Amino acid sequence: DADVTQTPRNRITKTGKRIMLECSQTKGHDRMYWYRQDPGLGLQLIYYSFDVKDINKGEISDGYSVSRQAQAKFSLSLESAIPNQTALYFCATAKGSGTDTQYFGPGTRLTVL
Amino acid sequence: AQRVTQPEKLLSVFKGAPVELKCNYSYSGSPELFWYVQYSRQRLQLLLRHISRESIKGFTADLNKGETSFHLKKPFAQEEDSAMYYCAPHASGGSYIPTFGRGTSLIVHP
Repeated sequence: DADVTQTPRNRITKTGKRIMLECSQTKGHDRMYWYRQDPGLGLQLIYYSFDVKDINKGEISDGYSVSRQAQAKFSLSLESAIPNQTALYFCATAKGSGTDTQYFGPGTRLTVL
Repeated sequence: AQRVTQPEKLLSVFKGAPVELKCNYSYSGSPELFWYVQYSRQRLQLLLRHISRESIKGFTADLNKGETSFHLKKPFAQEEDSAMYYCAPHASGGSYIPTFGRGTSLIVHP
């Protein structure tokens, strides 16, 4: 669904570097989420936001921070990247209820050397 | 605690065989049940949700509240069904967030 975009799509960086992953959506959804996907572990929630002023930690927030710059934008930062943060990162949006369908971005493949 | 279990990491079948991907959940209240699918090199997308009671690409899912299961089924698997499948209960109430299972990789051989 081209309504949810992520940049960059691929990134290779070195240990200790600060990295920002960006997510934008044109769906007009209030809720936005960041997940990481690792083989065998499925999707793990990093952070989520119900609106611009409401940001919450997910199950694996250590080492990450987020910024909700506007309803349409939700950025994920790795303050000091480490190799075990190498993963596929997905952004998702949902309308406004816990039972609404989630719409995913294409993912960002991050490699930390 | 909210928990969702997909017991099979990998399911391998031949084309035309029936397939069942299992999902069991432990949730307070009555969650809305979803299946998402991720084809190779593509983003996750909704496959089906219980409330709509639709059959998508030949897949159906039956909610069994007694067993707290929401297994995904298809009577005749096709090669294009090869993908990663995630069961995701979404709890009711505005403050709840979805929980994803670890996923089942379905491989359909020709």
